Amino acid sequence: AQSVTQLGSHVSVSEGALVLLRCNYSSSVPPYLFWYVQYPNQGLQLLLKYTTGATLVKGINGFEAEFKKSETSFHLTKPSAHMSDAAEYFCAVSESGGFKTIFGAGTRLFVKA
Amino acid sequence: EPEVTQTPSHQVTQMGQEVILRCVPISNHLYFYWYRQILGQKVEFLVSFYNNEISEKSEIFDDQFSVERPDGSNFTLKIRSTKLEDSAMYFCASSGTGMSYGYTFGSGTRLTVV
Repeated sequence: AQSVTQLGSHVSVSEGALVLLRCNYSSSVPPYLFWYVQYPNQGLQLLLKYTTGATLVKGINGFEAEFKKSETSFHLTKPSAHMSDAAEYFCAVSESGGFKTIFGAGTRLFVKA
Repeated sequence: EPEVTQTPSHQVTQMGQEVILRCVPISNHLYFYWYRQILGQKVEFLVSFYNNEISEKSEIFDDQFSVERPDGSNFTLKIRSTKLEDSAMYFCASSGTGMSYGYTFGSGTRLTVV
């Protein structure tokens, strides 16, 4: 069965600083991996995804993530934080042939001016 | 850009009452899902629906829950006899071609059981 662990329920960075949100997964088959963002009182929005091929994937709003099979990780990064990046971020995993996606507990990102 | 639409945005109901949460998925999507998020907790899978039947459900999705796609556009979640612990944000999502596609989520229905 697949599972997701997000390290750090809260991360605080200064505007302009590097954003690093950590995600580790467990899956019995090659996974599909996703990052979603949730702004207050809104649904989740897909930021980026890894399915196959290139392990460094780029998403919207300048975010990117790297799939590292040896580390079972899929960390989300952005070189320079912006105030508008403040939100909750969810890492998620699903499996080919499956019918559900499992979400991590979420990491709330705070951006200080 | 196509959207998943959920109604109502807020629903308050008395314990023991039935509620129906409604969703209009993206029109050409084939896979439909319900998730819930209890305040301050993780997003939990409830059920997936494909080809007019449930494809997978979680242990949360017990006999008090049911889903239906009554016509070509709506996808509903019914909770037969609500409990206080059913209070949560319920999200509908749809997907085009399965697990690699990623989901498009609706904005959610906040259900409060009193």
